[in-house]
This record gives sequence, C-alpha cells and structure tokens, in this order.
Amino acid sequence: EMQLVESGGGLGQPGGSLRLSCAASGFTFSNYNMNWVRQAPGKGLEWVSYISFSGNTIYYAESVKGRFTISRDNARNSLYLQMNSLRAEDTALYFCAKFGPTMGSNGFDVWGQGTMVTVSS
Amino acid sequence: SSEVTQPPSLSVSPGQTASITCSGDKLGNKYIFWYQQKPGQSPVSVIYEDNKRPSGIPERFSGSNSGNTATLTISGTQAMDEADYYCQAWDSITGVLFGGGTHLTVL
Repeated sequence: EMQLVESGGGLGQPGGSLRLSCAASGFTFSNYNMNWVRQAPGKGLEWVSYISFSGNTIYYAESVKGRFTISRDNARNSLYLQMNSLRAEDTALYFCAKFGPTMGSNGFDVWGQGTMVTVSS
Repeated sequence: SSEVTQPPSLSVSPGQTASITCSGDKLGNKYIFWYQQKPGQSPVSVIYEDNKRPSGIPERFSGSNSGNTATLTISGTQAMDEADYYCQAWDSITGVLFGGGTHLTVL
C-alpha cells in the first residue's frame, strides 16, 4: 500500500522557521514527482511546491517563493519542506502529495494525512 | 490567465445528477483532475486525466473536459457523496492550479 506520512508541524513564531518531513513507502519514491499542498482552516486547497523525481526541477507558489525550500532524499524515501520567515498566513494543514498514477501524470494520486503548522506569537 | 473557477456550492436531491464545473482559459488543452474531500479527511482522487476513474471509485463518477470548461458528473448522487470537490490542472509555467472548491450538499 502506498503511504505518505508527514511530520514536523507545530507552533512556529512569526519570522521563525520549521522543517516538515514526509516519509514515503509502498512505491518507488525515486520515480515520482512530489508536492506540498496546504489547507488553511476552513479554506480550500493551496498548492505550495513541486519537485521532480530527480530533484532537478522545482516550482513554488508565489506566496512562498523566497521563503520555503523543497527538497528530497531518494535514498531515504523522504520529502522535505524548509519553511523560513514564517507568517500568520502560513498557518495551515500541510499535505505531502504524490503525482500519479503514472510517472508522467500531473495530478495527485496519493496524499498524506497532513501535519498542522500554526504561526503565532 | 492561469486561474480556475468553481461554483462555491451545489445542492442536489438523492438519486439526481450533480454536475460540478471548473472553468478557465483553454482548460480543454490541459488534463483536469478531481478530488473529493470529506470533513477531517485528506483529499481523494475521483477522476484523473479528464475522465479516468481510479480503482475503487464508483462508476457514478465521470468527467469531461472541452473548451474552457471541465465537468465532474455524479449520476445517482448518494448521501455519502456529500463533500467538497476540487478541480486541478497543471500549468507548465506556474505549476499546480486548484479551483476554489465546490461544496456538494445532498438533501
């Protein structure tokens, strides 16, 4: 069974940093493009960042560009999101999500359960 | 424009057909994906690449995409289908595009 498990969420200070992790299992992680998607309380889905299977291609939403950094470690089957210069509007449930079902697909076929990030002083 | 627009809400009676639209400039030139999200749960894919159904998704879910509009159709809507539905596309310049979501009420 394909599975994504996020961790690292919690309370962050405005201007502070947090690092999210996502552990993948049940599929060949190094073959698939990965993403972070967030959802503020009571709001819709907002895409945050994309990283290609090799890590060579990366995209960010304008709202996080210059503050967040996506990375992956294919040897550890893990995806990361380094979040710096946190703002109150970054408060959200952060999902790790896999593109699929085929390697060339640009839609999500597997989602994690999410990790909550709250930015407050 | 790289925006995708959905109606915020839709109500249908049990057994009726629900049609949820997703609009955007030349959307028919992109693959559209649809997700169902119930309260407190992660999204679940119900349609991928315009009209394909993932394993385990009931046949009453179908999709189409042409021109500037993609549509998710739920035939014979059931109470269990009450949820938020999101459309999604990929733009090679800006990345992932999500619609704002449609809350489907079955009553």
